[in-house]
Amino acid sequence: GDSVTQMEGPVTLSEEAFLTINCTYTATGYPSLFWYVQYPGEGLQLLLKATKADDKGSNKGFEATYRKETTSFHLEKGSVQVSDSAVYFCALSDLGNTPLVFGKGTRLSVIA
Amino acid sequence: GAGVSQSPSNKVTEKGKDVELRCDPISGHTALYWYRQSLGQGLEFLIYFQGNSAPDKSGLPSDRFSAERTGGSVSTLTIQRTQQEDSAVYLCASSLGRAGNNEQFFGPGTRLTVL
Repeated sequence: GDSVTQMEGPVTLSEEAFLTINCTYTATGYPSLFWYVQYPGEGLQLLLKATKADDKGSNKGFEATYRKETTSFHLEKGSVQVSDSAVYFCALSDLGNTPLVFGKGTRLSVIA
Repeated sequence: GAGVSQSPSNKVTEKGKDVELRCDPISGHTALYWYRQSLGQGLEFLIYFQGNSAPDKSGLPSDRFSAERTGGSVSTLTIQRTQQEDSAVYLCASSLGRAGNNEQFFGPGTRLTVL
């Protein structure tokens, strides 16, 4: 079945550091790819998405590019802030509106 | 507009009791999903409703779990004879249910603790 693998956390960075959270996937079809974020005490929010190969999703300074050849969707940000501290989930949806398949999440802590 | 709402926000119950968790999706969203978030298991899909179609129950972990969606809107997830391993945060999400637009909007969750 479909699956998502993302790097284990926790990740601790200093403010203004560069962030990469790796995500790879396996899917039988041509999935849409997502990054969701869960801030402390809050619900899951969509951070960005990409629906086809070479698409780049971006939001709040975060970016991820849909790489079909490497089945990857790595999350990057050039300069993290303390307010970016959260748990980040990579996810895919294989066909239309099928349920999301999530990675296990990566906890990011940014220290001033 | 209003987002997805869930109630209760917290539920503590004793082993063996039944519990009902409620989800109010975003108005006009035809697709509704239940997920479970627990330590060590991450986020797991439980059940999916799309319009008037039969629900996809493939993620339900046992026959103690069931869900219904009345009138294509509000959904109730029922767990019978709760066990300690059922302790988790239960998340509901909804989407427009249109091909090519599969962004899911999540509610705040219900934290279930089974003693």
